[in-house]
Amino acid sequence: GAGVSQSPSNKVTEKGKDVELRCDPISGHTALYWYRQSLGQGLEFLIYFQGNSAPDKSGLPSDRFSAERTGGSVSTLTIQRTQQEDSAVYLCASSSWLFGAQETQYFGPGTRLLVL
Amino acid sequence: AQTVTQSQPEMSVQEAETVTLSCTYDTSESDYYLFWYKQPPSRQMILVIRQEAYKQQNATENRFSVNFQKAAKSFSLKISDSQLGDAAMYFCAYRSTAWAGSYQLTFGKGTKLSVIP
Repeated sequence: GAGVSQSPSNKVTEKGKDVELRCDPISGHTALYWYRQSLGQGLEFLIYFQGNSAPDKSGLPSDRFSAERTGGSVSTLTIQRTQQEDSAVYLCASSSWLFGAQETQYFGPGTRLLVL
Repeated sequence: AQTVTQSQPEMSVQEAETVTLSCTYDTSESDYYLFWYKQPPSRQMILVIRQEAYKQQNATENRFSVNFQKAAKSFSLKISDSQLGDAAMYFCAYRSTAWAGSYQLTFGKGTKLSVIP
């Protein structure tokens, strides 16, 4: 079946602009994660969705970052008033539940964001 | 909080040879999962292998196997018969089984593996 997809693949924006990054999880996967991969910080957790709710937003670095998920499927990560330090690869992952346990996370190809 | 350490930023291996990538972690939990993910230049993070801490047997997937030493908190990845397509960044990751709002992965900094023809 289809894997996790993300769009756009690459995004170049000017400092101060808002950007939206999209994630389409594997069909049927109710758990969805956003991670950020940057040279200085490595891979960091941002936010977790179970269905349409986000029980764990502890990794969001500032209130400029927000995310939503609709219909238990597609998720959008929004960064307002982008800063140069937001430049990174943003990865999305999804997983399913089996017998009450959450399964392995499968990743999308990421969106590379460059803030000029 | 858990931490994952990969002490080898870069490694190289001759094609068809065997290479071992190291990973250590720190946790006070007794039950957890460990993963190795591969990230080629395409950026796609690909699951290589997964190990449940309660299992004593080391996980194996074709040419990939792990040496899981729970007491030493060590989780190394062995790649046998290395192929050119194995060249990538390899990330070790930890996941708790205890619910803390999510089951987020904690990653090491990665090891860049080069395969020499």
